[in-house]
Amino acid sequence: RKEVEQDPGPFNVPEGATVAFNCTYSNSASQSFFWYRQDCRKEPKLLMSVYSSGNEDGRFTAQLNRASQYISLLIRDSKLSDSATYLCVSYTGNQFYFGTGTSLTVIP
Amino acid sequence: DVKVTQSSRYLVKRTGEKVFLECVQDMDHENMFWYRQDPGLGLRLIYFSYDVKMKEKGDIPEGYSVSREKKERFSLILESASTNQTSMYLCASSRAGVGSPLHFGNGTRLTVT
Repeated sequence: RKEVEQDPGPFNVPEGATVAFNCTYSNSASQSFFWYRQDCRKEPKLLMSVYSSGNEDGRFTAQLNRASQYISLLIRDSKLSDSATYLCVSYTGNQFYFGTGTSLTVIP
Repeated sequence: DVKVTQSSRYLVKRTGEKVFLECVQDMDHENMFWYRQDPGLGLRLIYFSYDVKMKEKGDIPEGYSVSREKKERFSLILESASTNQTSMYLCASSRAGVGSPLHFGNGTRLTVT
């Protein structure tokens, strides 16, 4: 079983829509979680860390549910520039574990 | 801002060549990593290092070696390049400790012909 699993999508949403991605992790000992954004043929870039109490950064909200072992990313008021692949990452015992990514396309 | 610099953006090498990929970070991070990324397979860890002269195998170390002689520099070596090593190679660094995220270089797209 993979450490981190994500729905690959693709998610195609209209501009202005709200979209949510979930990601499950298998190791209950996972210590930290992150969301990265990756544009086509570019490197992943940190979007936000995920804190136990949930956290928000502008239009982006991240949540962690330790009981059910999943994290989520909510994007409100989607922009064309949000089109990218979103990677879920967990950190366990000095190792980072990546999901394969969820593809988002925001349509005008 | 953290800067992780990879020496080449694109490389084309022939089968059997020895290939060096260089990575330098400027934030005094303890940890450095090499990944490869292939369509449908996501990021896979090749090697990582927690300190100078220290290295640990990742999930797919076969055909690769690494060197970390200085804290800021982590090199990936393909001993004898093969076509199945054609990939995007990503270097990353992080501070030691829980909660510190990875910072990636802009990648090297290697083609082995």
